[in-house]
Amino acid sequence: GAGVSQSPRYKVAKRGQDVALRCDPISGHVSLFWYQQALGQGPEFLTYFQNEAQLDKSGLPSDRFFAERPEGSVSTLKIQRTQQEDSAVYLCATIGGGARNTDTQYFGPGTRLTVL
Amino acid sequence: AQSVTQLDSHVSVSEGTPVLLRCNYSSSYSPSLFWYVQHPNKGLQLLLKYTSAATLVKGINGFEAEFKKSETSFHLTKPSAHMSDAAEYFCVVSDPPGSGTYKYIFGTGTRLKVLA
Repeated sequence: GAGVSQSPRYKVAKRGQDVALRCDPISGHVSLFWYQQALGQGPEFLTYFQNEAQLDKSGLPSDRFFAERPEGSVSTLKIQRTQQEDSAVYLCATIGGGARNTDTQYFGPGTRLTVL
Repeated sequence: AQSVTQLDSHVSVSEGTPVLLRCNYSSSYSPSLFWYVQHPNKGLQLLLKYTSAATLVKGINGFEAEFKKSETSFHLTKPSAHMSDAAEYFCVVSDPPGSGTYKYIFGTGTRLKVLA
C-alpha cells in the first residue's frame, strides 16, 4: 500500500481483556517499530523488528505486552489482561532498510486503545 | 543517553506572524535530529531532519530549523504562520550509531495554535 496502515483505528476493551493491534508496513520495509503515546505525551519506544527478528524489546512495559512479526511483514502487538494504564495510542513506524540513525521513520495513523 | 527538551508545551501566534518552536537536545555523539508534525487524527509526518550536513535545514510547508551545536539547540521556525499549521509538533533525536536499534526519542511536544 501507499503507507503504513494500522487496525483497528479505535479499540475499547474492558479491564482484563486481551487485545491485538495490527500493523501493515509499507511493502518491502525491513525495519518496524512500535511506540506508545499516552495522552498529552510524546510517543515512547516499545519494540523494534528487523525482518522477523525482534532485536530490541526494552521498551515493553511489562510481560503482558508481546509483539510478533512472523513473516517479516505484518506485525501484531498483543496486550494481555489490559489495565487502565494501557490506555494510549499505539503507533507503528517502518523504515525501508536496516535502520540507521539518519533514517526517516514512516508512521501509521495509530490505534487508540481505551481500557474501561 | 540521548534526550530532547521542548521548552514550550503551547505556543499561540497570529496568522501571518513568525513561528518559533524551541528544542534543546542532549547527546553524547553527533546526533540526528528530526521535527515531526501531528495533525488531529492523522499520522506523524516528517517536517525536516538534520543528519550532519548543512546546519540550516529546510523542510516542507516553509518550515526550517537550525542546528546549533554550541547551544545544543534545534529550533523550528517559519516566517509566516498559516491556519493549517495548527498541530502538535515533536522534536526527535535518534539512537546513536552502534546502538543497533535507532529508535526515536521524542520530546513531549508543542501544541501550536494559530489565531485568525
